[in-house]
Amino acid sequence: QVQLQESGPGLVKPSETLSLTCTVSGGSISSSNYYWGWIRQPPGKGLEWIGSMSYDGNTYYNPSLKSRVTISADTSKNQFSLKLSSVTVADAAVYYCARRVELGGSYPFDYWGQGTLVTVSS
Amino acid sequence: EIVLTQSPGTLSLSPGERPTLSCRASQSVSNNYLAWYQQKPGQAPRLLIFGASRRATGIPDRFSGSGSGTDFTLTISRLEPEDFAVYYCQQYGNSPWTFGQGTKVEIK
Repeated sequence: QVQLQESGPGLVKPSETLSLTCTVSGGSISSSNYYWGWIRQPPGKGLEWIGSMSYDGNTYYNPSLKSRVTISADTSKNQFSLKLSSVTVADAAVYYCARRVELGGSYPFDYWGQGTLVTVSS
Repeated sequence: EIVLTQSPGTLSLSPGERPTLSCRASQSVSNNYLAWYQQKPGQAPRLLIFGASRRATGIPDRFSGSGSGTDFTLTISRLEPEDFAVYYCQQYGNSPWTFGQGTKVEIK
């Protein structure tokens, strides 16, 4: 059973860079056909896809955030990371990492981490 | 970007009732790549339906999805106490992937 766990600072100052890591267990992030993504949810609001990374390192970002987002992987640790630069209070949210599959078609996120709350404040 | 509009915003129902949730897309969803998630307070979303009508692993058969193109529906045949939650639709056929704003199913 795949498990995902987010980690990182819960408090980030405005204009600084938010950095989160997702540690994956029960499966390799380098396994073919798997994609790994980040989704966020401001308190009391809906879900927003931030971006995804394929098993072979290709990245896909939401155009609304593309200029500030970087997703990367550390295969030796079976982790992938999110960096969001120049944060504002609008970036405060619960951040989720998740997994999806592309095999004979595309599939939505089926395994999710529990989420981590990030507050933006000076 | 495909905008997904869910209706109604809130459904107030009793256990045993049969809710129907709607998700309308601003343009046709490629390959009917439309998913439904359930989210309870303090929890991550849980995948219920993918490909508009296919149940995810372990999802009870009281949950069913239907629709194609721009109009999609999630139906719960008989509400159980654990079904009271917020439901989101998501399209994953066109980048950027987008979510609806959610429908809350609350106890009447």
